[in-house]
Amino acid sequence: GDSVTQMEGPVTLSEEAFLTINCTYTATGYPSLFWYVQYPGEGLQLLLKATKADDKGSNKGFEATYRKETTSFHLEKGSVQVSDSAVYFCALSGGYQKVTFGTGTKLQVIP
Amino acid sequence: DTEVTQTPKHLVMGMTNKKSLKCEQHMGHRAMYWYKQKAKKPPELMFVYSYEKLSINESVPSRFSPECPNSSLLNLHLHALQPEDSALYLCASSKETGAGADTQYFGPGTRLTVL
Repeated sequence: GDSVTQMEGPVTLSEEAFLTINCTYTATGYPSLFWYVQYPGEGLQLLLKATKADDKGSNKGFEATYRKETTSFHLEKGSVQVSDSAVYFCALSGGYQKVTFGTGTKLQVIP
Repeated sequence: DTEVTQTPKHLVMGMTNKKSLKCEQHMGHRAMYWYKQKAKKPPELMFVYSYEKLSINESVPSRFSPECPNSSLLNLHLHALQPEDSALYLCASSKETGAGADTQYFGPGTRLTVL
């Protein structure tokens, strides 16, 4: 079945540091890939997505590229802010209404 | 507008109570979802409605009863819950194009505590 593996957290960075959160997946066919962010006490917000190989999703300074050859969708940001502190979920959907989530990576940015 | 709204934001109930969670979207989406999320875990799918018909039930106990009165509304009726049912309940919706994987948009959730 489909699966998503994310790097374990928590990840602690200083403000303005470079962020990478690794995500790899296993799926049949050509899934769509997503990053969702969950701020403390809130629901999930779609951060970015990519629907086919070599697509780059981007939003609010975050980027991720759909790499089919390495089955990866790593999240990056050049300069993190304290307000980016949250839990980040990598997810995939192969259709049929089901989304497979990774376990989530907690990011803490300190001033 | 990609907004899904949920009420109430917080709910505390006893094990003998009956309560309902409500979800609403006005994006014209035809698929709606209920998820349960425990602390420090990813969301777990409970139910999916497609065109107002239940299409997926992930073997959820009958004390949870979903209802989709129309294409914009989704309810989750709760009865005789257990303390282990305490969690964040998330609603989501998607277009349901039938052309592949549709993006799901989530509401802010209802924080449920069962005493």
